Amino acid sequence: KAGVTQTPRYLIKTRGQQVTLSCSPISGHRSVSWYQQTPGQGLQFLFEYFSETQRNKGNFPGRFSGRQFSNSRSEMNVSTLELGDSALYLCASSLESPKVNEQFFGPGTRLTVL
Amino acid sequence: GENVEQHPSTLSVQEGDSAVIKCTYSDSASNYFPWYKQELGKRPQLIIDIRSNVGEKKDQRIAVTLNKTAKHFSLHITETQPEDSAVYFCAASRGQNFVFGPGTRLSVLP
Repeated sequence: KAGVTQTPRYLIKTRGQQVTLSCSPISGHRSVSWYQQTPGQGLQFLFEYFSETQRNKGNFPGRFSGRQFSNSRSEMNVSTLELGDSALYLCASSLESPKVNEQFFGPGTRLTVL
Repeated sequence: GENVEQHPSTLSVQEGDSAVIKCTYSDSASNYFPWYKQELGKRPQLIIDIRSNVGEKKDQRIAVTLNKTAKHFSLHITETQPEDSAVYFCAASRGQNFVFGPGTRLSVLP
């Protein structure tokens, strides 16, 4: 069974631009969570989607948004990029819930904002 | 909101020794506590988890203990091996939200 995939793997943007990251979960997994990982702040929860609905959200500004499609693939969008948005963005999928079933992480998208 | 502290930030042990990493959390309503291992340049991987209705859980060389009263939980690795070298993250969860500790860099010296 294929693992979680994320595209693109690397991205360079400039301040003020917007970016869309994509995550394809393991086949059959319906829950997708997004995380931001930086050396200074560590791993931070962004949001979790299940059945095309955002089920929970972390403490990030509204510039960070996401959505999930009927095939469980998910995208996250960051608008008006800031230098501090440079990070590794990880998505993770689980069958129904990351608390009930093991969540598997993708390789991440490394975003650099110049 | 929830706050998770993790100690130590770095830990070096000799191969074969035990390693202990401790996390404290602030939200008494948190009820799920996973531990993730992240090797250099790789994605995090769940290694063990514990729920609030259990005090201890063991899986081969890895064990986790939970003290709900004191609001802390610990990861214990016995008979450490060089391949245990990685960054370990604890997390506390209430609902579907996860709050992670800052991580512990474990180095197992041969």
